[in-house]
Amino acid sequence: GAVVSQHPSRVICKSGTSVKIECRSLDFQATTMFWYRQFPKQSLMLMATSNEGSKATYEQGVEKDKFLINHASLTLSTLTVTSAHPEDSSFYICSAGAGPGQETQYFGPGTRLLVL
Amino acid sequence: AQKITQTQPGMFVQEKEAVTLDCTYDTSDPSYGLFWYKQPSSGEMIFLIYQGSYDQQNATEGRYSLNFQKARKSANLVISASQLGDSAMYFCAMREGGTGGFKTIFGAGTRLFVKA
Repeated sequence: GAVVSQHPSRVICKSGTSVKIECRSLDFQATTMFWYRQFPKQSLMLMATSNEGSKATYEQGVEKDKFLINHASLTLSTLTVTSAHPEDSSFYICSAGAGPGQETQYFGPGTRLLVL
Repeated sequence: AQKITQTQPGMFVQEKEAVTLDCTYDTSDPSYGLFWYKQPSSGEMIFLIYQGSYDQQNATEGRYSLNFQKARKSANLVISASQLGDSAMYFCAMREGGTGGFKTIFGAGTRLFVKA
């Protein structure tokens, strides 16, 4: 089946620094990727839709200047958490669309971010 | 706006018994897809089963079946012959096609505990 990878799997950083998370589709091309955030014991909340070659579409309440998304190729989308603060500590999961209409989603293994 | 409701925060089931996890949804889009995912403690999202809004028959995948009641807007997951390894969080999710842009929205989740 299709595989989506994320790097790093976990990261600890100091408050005020920026962290970049990569999401790669390993054996298929994905024109659309999705970024989710999951706080402990909560559900996945969609943050943004990443479109290859164009600007990301952010969900209501998600700061686009805080969470920078770049989808530079059909196999890579990056999420950069800028000037991270402890409240940004969370589990970040990406998914990539596959299939003729990008209707099937494959999830990455997630990235655990801890901001001290 | 689309909405997914899972009313069971936690469920217990005896090993080898069947269990039903509830999910109701709300959408005005006639074309949509319903998903169930399993999330073990490692955090990865494991796809279990899919039901399309136009599918006439209930979806089945091994020990998983989806009880699709379109008029009632419910999509309950039935796990037969529960195993200890089934203990995990289970998320119901919905994706609207077309104008929804294939983004997937998740319910709050149900934590399943399988007892030996």
